[in-house]
Amino acid sequence: GQQVMQIPQYQHVQEGEDFTTYCNSSTTLSNIQWYKQRPGGHPVFLIQLVKSGEVKKQKRLTFQFGEAKKNSSLHITATQTTDVGTYFCAGPTTGTASKLTFGTGTRLQVTL
Amino acid sequence: GAGVSQTPSNKVTEKGKYVELRCDPISGHTALYWYRQSLGQGPEFLIYFQGTGAADDSGLPNDRFFAVRPEGSVSTLKIQRTERGDSAVYLCASSFGQYYGYTFGSGTRLTVV
Repeated sequence: GQQVMQIPQYQHVQEGEDFTTYCNSSTTLSNIQWYKQRPGGHPVFLIQLVKSGEVKKQKRLTFQFGEAKKNSSLHITATQTTDVGTYFCAGPTTGTASKLTFGTGTRLQVTL
Repeated sequence: GAGVSQTPSNKVTEKGKYVELRCDPISGHTALYWYRQSLGQGPEFLIYFQGTGAADDSGLPNDRFFAVRPEGSVSTLKIQRTERGDSAVYLCASSFGQYYGYTFGSGTRLTVV
């Protein structure tokens, strides 16, 4: 079945350092969504990318959708302790738009 | 309401018992989803409602699980004869439709002892 993998599984950075998580799908995606889940919290929607090669920015966060629409990345510039959490990408499950397959997630830890 | 509301926030039940988990979505959101999340993993799809009908229930693990949304708003996830393997956080989400981002509730942590 469809697989959505993220790397790294875990990253620990010092505050102020940059961070990138990569998302790779085994199938072509019509769109990709990104969510952030704080420790003990629930996933919160960040953004949706639809077009091949699309790049979107939200303050210090930059999201990119690959040309082949099978991969995506999230880059955080100058991390802050408020960025701590697990970042998930998610794409429509192959053959249907009615559900998302979530990636394996990347857990980010930021220390002072 | 302002967000997706799930009750109870925590539920501890004995193996073999029946439980109901409730979800009150954002007003105006026609799509409602149930996901299940185990520790350290991403959410896994259970069921999707568009309006009152279950448009996709392919994620329900077996016939012990059932969900309803009788008036197109509040939904209830029902689990019969609970097993220890059912222990997880059950997340409800709603959206304007299939092509929009989800708003998740805070989840119900179910523990089967």
